[in-house]
Amino acid sequence: DAGVIQSPRHEVTEMGQEVTLRCKPISGHNSLFWYRQTMMRGLELLIYFNNNVPIDDSGMPEDRFSAKMPNASFSTLKIQPSEPRDSAVYFCASSGEGGAVGYTFGSGTRLTVV
Amino acid sequence: KQEVTQIPAALSVPEGENLVLNCSFTDSAIYNLQWFRQDPGKGLTSLLLIQSSQREQTSGRLNASLDKSSGRSTLYIAASQPGDSATYLCAVTGWGGGYQKVTFGTGTKLQVIP
Repeated sequence: DAGVIQSPRHEVTEMGQEVTLRCKPISGHNSLFWYRQTMMRGLELLIYFNNNVPIDDSGMPEDRFSAKMPNASFSTLKIQPSEPRDSAVYFCASSGEGGAVGYTFGSGTRLTVV
Repeated sequence: KQEVTQIPAALSVPEGENLVLNCSFTDSAIYNLQWFRQDPGKGLTSLLLIQSSQREQTSGRLNASLDKSSGRSTLYIAASQPGDSATYLCAVTGWGGGYQKVTFGTGTKLQVIP
C-alpha cells in the first residue's frame, strides 16, 4: 500500500483565494482525520470522518473551512476565502477497525497564504 | 476530557546514551496508545502501537510500555544515535460519544549529539 497520499505537498496562495487540499486514505481504512499543525498550537484535529460521514467537526475553525468525503477513497479540505493565519501544515490520517490498527499519516500539505 | 502530557518538552543527550521519554494521560479508559516520531518539515511516522490489553511493545532499539492504572507510557530508546533526533509524540485513543477520540501530546524534541 502506498500509504496515505496527500496533494499538493506545497501550496502558496494569495489571501482571499480558494484552496483545496486532497487526501487519499489507505484502502480499507474507514476513518479519516484532518489535522492542522502550527508551531504555536501544535497538532489540532479539524474534522473526523467515519465511513465517509463527518462525525466530529468541532475543530473546524470557522465557516471558511469545509471538508467532504464523497467516497471511501477520497477527501477534500477547502478553505474559502483563505487568510494568512491559515498558513500551516495540514495532515490527513486514516485508521481502520475503530483505531485498533493505529493511525497512518500522510506527508502533509504545507500551506502558505500571503 | 482526556489530557496528554509529555515531559520533558526537549531533551539533549550524547550519542550512545539510553533514554526514556514520558507520556502521561488523565483518563485510563483508553483503547490504545501510539508513539510517533516527526522529523522537521515531515509528517508523523508511527513507531509503536500498544493496545490497552498489552504492557509493552518492542521494535529494534525501541521499547514502549503502558501502565493504564497510573496513566503512563514510556518510550525507551537504547544506544541513541544522531539519526534518532526528532520530535516524539504519543497519541491516546479512547471512546467518546460512540466513536474513537484521539488525543495527542505536545511532544518531546530529542537531540542526540554526536
